Amino acid sequence: KAGVTQTPRYLIKTRGQQVTLSCSPISGHRSVSWYQQTPGQGLQFLFEYFSETQRNKGNFPGRFSGRQFSNSRSEMNVSTLELGDSALYLCASSPGLAGVGGELFFGEGSRLTVL
Amino acid sequence: DAKTTQPTSMDCAEGRAANLPCNHSTISGNEYVYWYRQIHSQGPQYIIHGLKNNETNEMASLIITEDRKSSTLILPHATLRDTAVYYCIVGQYGATNKLIFGTGTLLAVQP
Repeated sequence: KAGVTQTPRYLIKTRGQQVTLSCSPISGHRSVSWYQQTPGQGLQFLFEYFSETQRNKGNFPGRFSGRQFSNSRSEMNVSTLELGDSALYLCASSPGLAGVGGELFFGEGSRLTVL
Repeated sequence: DAKTTQPTSMDCAEGRAANLPCNHSTISGNEYVYWYRQIHSQGPQYIIHGLKNNETNEMASLIITEDRKSSTLILPHATLRDTAVYYCIVGQYGATNKLIFGTGTLLAVQP
């Protein structure tokens, strides 16, 4: 069974640009959560989607957005990039309703560098 | 959300048991204790979770004190591949999307 797949793995952008990251959950998983990981702030929850609906959102500005498609694949977008957006962006999927089951399956992340 | 306190780093000899402590003195009755680990450059990996009883799986054992204010993750026979950052997290069952990961414990397994 394939794991959570995130693309691209690495990317470099400049300030002011926008970026879209993609996440394909484990087959059959319907919940996708996104996290931002930086050395200073650690792992922080961005948002979570289930059945194409955003169920929860963390404390991030509106420049951070996401969506989920009918096949459960999810994308997150960051507009007007700032230097502080440089981070590892992690996607996690879970089997059923958000969080029920106690285990999140993480991808290897997309490392974004903003210059 | 309840917070956890973990040592910043620990060392363990290969083949020995690694005991990773975690304090969660403000845990509420319906909050579970979860453990994840993150090996360098990879996404976090789920290890185990529990409410109040001790739990064991193929990876580790979780010992939760009777008052639930602290817990210990035990890796019975640590290997070099267990070198990672270990996160102790508390959260409501069914709300893992809101887990606060904190900074974790860097476990260095020494040959």
